[in-house]
Amino acid sequence: EVQLVEVGGGFVQPGGSLRLSCAASGFNFDDYAMNWVRQAPGKGLEWVAGITWNGGTIDYADSVKGRFTISRDSAKNSVFLQMDSLKPEDTAFYYCAKDRCGGACYRFDHWGPGTLVIVSS
Amino acid sequence: DIQMTQSPSSLSASVGDRVTITCRASESDGSWLAWYQQKPGKAPKLLIYQASILESGVPSRFSGSGSGTEFTLTISSLQPDDFATYYCQQYNIFGQGTKVEIK
Repeated sequence: EVQLVEVGGGFVQPGGSLRLSCAASGFNFDDYAMNWVRQAPGKGLEWVAGITWNGGTIDYADSVKGRFTISRDSAKNSVFLQMDSLKPEDTAFYYCAKDRCGGACYRFDHWGPGTLVIVSS
Repeated sequence: DIQMTQSPSSLSASVGDRVTITCRASESDGSWLAWYQQKPGKAPKLLIYQASILESGVPSRFSGSGSGTEFTLTISSLQPDDFATYYCQQYNIFGQGTKVEIK
């Protein structure tokens, strides 16, 4: 059974940093692209970042480019999101999502339960 | 940048009703479209990809159609478990969502 579990959310002041982790199991992690998608409370879905199976291609939403960094570690079957220079508008539930392909095909067939990030003074 | 527009933004329907949700893309790109269902407090669930292919385990009352810039998600006979918010997605862009509520 595919499982994705995010950790690392919490409360942070504007300008601060957080590092989210997503532990994957139940599938061959090295074969699939992974993504982060966020959802502000009561709002819609916003794709944040994606990384292909081997880390060869990485992409970001314009809203986080230059502030967030996605990475993956095949030894730990994990994908990470380093979030720096956080802004109040980054407040959201952050979901880890597995792609259906190794490349970026944007078909997210499994999602974690999400972790909440609150940016406030 | 591609923009995805869903309509309606919300609807009220009864159990057994046929429900159709439309998603329009600002640019045409074949059949590269997915639909998700999200219930309150839960992560989204993939229902349909490539516009019309049903994800494994999804009930057959769900169907998708369309290509180019206009796509539809149809629920042939609404069930109590289907009251949720539905999102379309083309590449890394999501529509704003359609909330399906009980009438």
